[in-house]
Amino acid sequence: DTGVSQDPRHKITKRGQNVTFRCDPISEHNRLYWYRQTLGQGPEFLTYFQNEAQLEKSRLLSDRFSAERPKGSFSTLEIQRTEQGDSAMYLCASSLMLWAEVRENGYTFGSGTRLTVV
Amino acid sequence: GENVEQHPSTLSVQEGDSAVIKCTYSDSASNYFPWYKQELGKRPQLIIDIRSNVGEKKDQRIAVTLNKTAKHFSLHITETQPEDSAVYFCAARNAGGTSYGKLTFGQGTILTVHP
Repeated sequence: DTGVSQDPRHKITKRGQNVTFRCDPISEHNRLYWYRQTLGQGPEFLTYFQNEAQLEKSRLLSDRFSAERPKGSFSTLEIQRTEQGDSAMYLCASSLMLWAEVRENGYTFGSGTRLTVV
Repeated sequence: GENVEQHPSTLSVQEGDSAVIKCTYSDSASNYFPWYKQELGKRPQLIIDIRSNVGEKKDQRIAVTLNKTAKHFSLHITETQPEDSAVYFCAARNAGGTSYGKLTFGQGTILTVHP
C-alpha cells in the first residue's frame, strides 16, 4: 500500500445522472477527507471521516452529495442528480490521527477523480 | 471557521531568482501550516510544513516562516529552477472541536520560472 488510490480517474456524465467515486486511503490512516477543486482554486473541504464516523460535512455541500466509509477503510462519494456546476476534480486525502495529534506529514492526497457533467 | 488568504495568485520569476508566497489565516488557534506543490494534472504533494511553536524551517532551497502574532506565514524558494514551476497551496490546520486536523487551503499561486 504505497498511497491513496482513487477510482475512476475521469468520469463524464450527463446532467441528472448519479455518480459514485471511490477512495482507498493508506491502510494505517484513520482519517479520510474529501475535497473538491476547480480550476484555479485551492481544494475546498467537503467532508471527512475518522474511522467509519463522518465527523464533519461542509455547510456548502448540497444534499445531493453523500459519503460513506462503512468499515473505516475505503470511502465512497456519491453525487445524485448531477449538475454542470458539479464539474470539478474530487480529491481524497488520508492522514493518521494519534492521541489528538496529526502526524507531521499531514495529508497524503490521491490523484483525484475528474468529473465532467455535460 | 478558518479562512486562509494567499497572495499573489500568479508569480513569474527568472531562473535563479527567489520567489516568495504569502498566506494569512484567521483562526489564532490553528497550529500547523503545510505547503503543497501541485503540478499540472497531478496530486498536491507536501513540500514543507511548520508547527506553531517554530518560527522558521528550512529544507534545502525551500524555507517557511511563521508569524503567529500577525497570523501570516510565507514560503520562500531560493535559486529557482524551471522544475519549480507549479501551483503552490498553503494551508492551515484547524485546532478545535470536530474540525481538529482538517486543513483549510489558500487559493493557490501559479509560479512560473523562466529559463
